[in-house]
Amino acid sequence: NAGVTQTPKFQVLKTGQSMTLQCAQDMNHNSMYWYRQDPGMGLRLIYYSASEGTTDKGEVPNGYNVSRLNKREFSLRLESAAPSQTSVYFCASSEDVGLAETPYNEQFFGPGTRLTVL
Amino acid sequence: AQSVAQPEDQVNVAEGNPLTVKCTYSVSGNPYLFWYVQYPNRGLQFLLKYITGDNLVKGSYGFEAEFNKSQTSFHLKKPSALVSDSALYFCAVRAPSGGSYIPTFGRGTSLIVHP
Repeated sequence: NAGVTQTPKFQVLKTGQSMTLQCAQDMNHNSMYWYRQDPGMGLRLIYYSASEGTTDKGEVPNGYNVSRLNKREFSLRLESAAPSQTSVYFCASSEDVGLAETPYNEQFFGPGTRLTVL
Repeated sequence: AQSVAQPEDQVNVAEGNPLTVKCTYSVSGNPYLFWYVQYPNRGLQFLLKYITGDNLVKGSYGFEAEFNKSQTSFHLKKPSALVSDSALYFCAVRAPSGGSYIPTFGRGTSLIVHP
């Protein structure tokens, strides 16, 4: 049982390049999330998916797109990377059956992707 | 809008002494409160949560937290700190907001336990 896995672990991009961050979970969780972590800013939600087939914007969605490929996988795409997107990106999942029905569930986090945009 | 405040960027404590990491929140409705720990170059790990009932909740690694509704606080505590407790700690809240319960995290508190 690997939990939440993320690839790649590290990535360096040039401004304007695109890339996709991959996330998968093997816990049969319904909800998945993408966060970015910046020093002094804590975790900020980029996008989330409450269930397979749905995605919604979080606090800082600009410059990102997501795809909930199936129940296991939730990818984050940067279409045209900018230096302001230099950050550590975390994927998380939770055993929610709708975010309003079971809001008491904790999240499980992946190990993170450290992205640098030059 | 809901928010979480962790008023201390860093907490220093000697090994063997009790530790407290502070968290206050602002929400509409009843909150669900969580503490997570992050070790260097790792993802966040769940420590404990408050859902309802007893205001004192116990979690992993000997940590506990006290929910205080009147002070809107959920401080993390441990009776005797270990050097291995040194890490970044995050408080989070889930509360009704527009029909959803999106988690909101505090900025984190770095706990340093000195030998």
